[in-house]
Amino acid sequence: GDSVTQMEGPVTLSEEAFLTINCTYTATGYPSLFWYVQYPGEGLQLLLKATKADDKGSNKGFEATYRKETTSFHLEKGSVQVSDSAVYFCALAYGGATNKLIFGTGTLLAVQP
Amino acid sequence: NAGVTQTPKFQVLKTGQSMTLQCAQDMNHNSMYWYRQDPGMGLRLIYYSASEGTTDKGEVPNGYNVSRLNKREFSLRLESAAPSQTSVYFCASSEQYEQYFGPGTRLTVT
Repeated sequence: GDSVTQMEGPVTLSEEAFLTINCTYTATGYPSLFWYVQYPGEGLQLLLKATKADDKGSNKGFEATYRKETTSFHLEKGSVQVSDSAVYFCALAYGGATNKLIFGTGTLLAVQP
Repeated sequence: NAGVTQTPKFQVLKTGQSMTLQCAQDMNHNSMYWYRQDPGMGLRLIYYSASEGTTDKGEVPNGYNVSRLNKREFSLRLESAAPSQTSVYFCASSEQYEQYFGPGTRLTVT
């Protein structure tokens, strides 16, 4: 069945460092891909998405490119801030119109000043 | 707009007790979902509702029931709580690609 694998955390970075969080997927066809972010004590929020191969999703300085040849959707940011500290989830959509999501296990990012 | 709201925020139950978690959305979305979040396991789908009047099982439905009361509300019921149901529960709604999540209910079963 479909699945999402993302790098385990926690990831600890200094402010202004470069961030990469790896995400790979297994799926039949070409599902839409997402990154969600969860700040402490809150629900998940959509960070960015890509709906077809070679699409690049971007938001708040974060980017991810849908790579069908490597079945990957890695999250990157050039310069992280303390306020980026959160848990990041990679997800894929399945089930057609029902828009169900399969989530990775999440990666905790801690940014130190 | 309040988005997706959930009640209660916190709950402690004894084994065997029952309770209902409430969820409501004000975005006129057709689809609604219940997830549980456990450490190291991400979010797992319990039940979902593609439209008013329909519900379907997700990945981990055992021990739960749901009701899609109307287009706005989707409740999750634990008939006989077990310690294995200790978790954080999230409700979400969606139209097309994006799911909108509520703030969660932290449930502890002792």
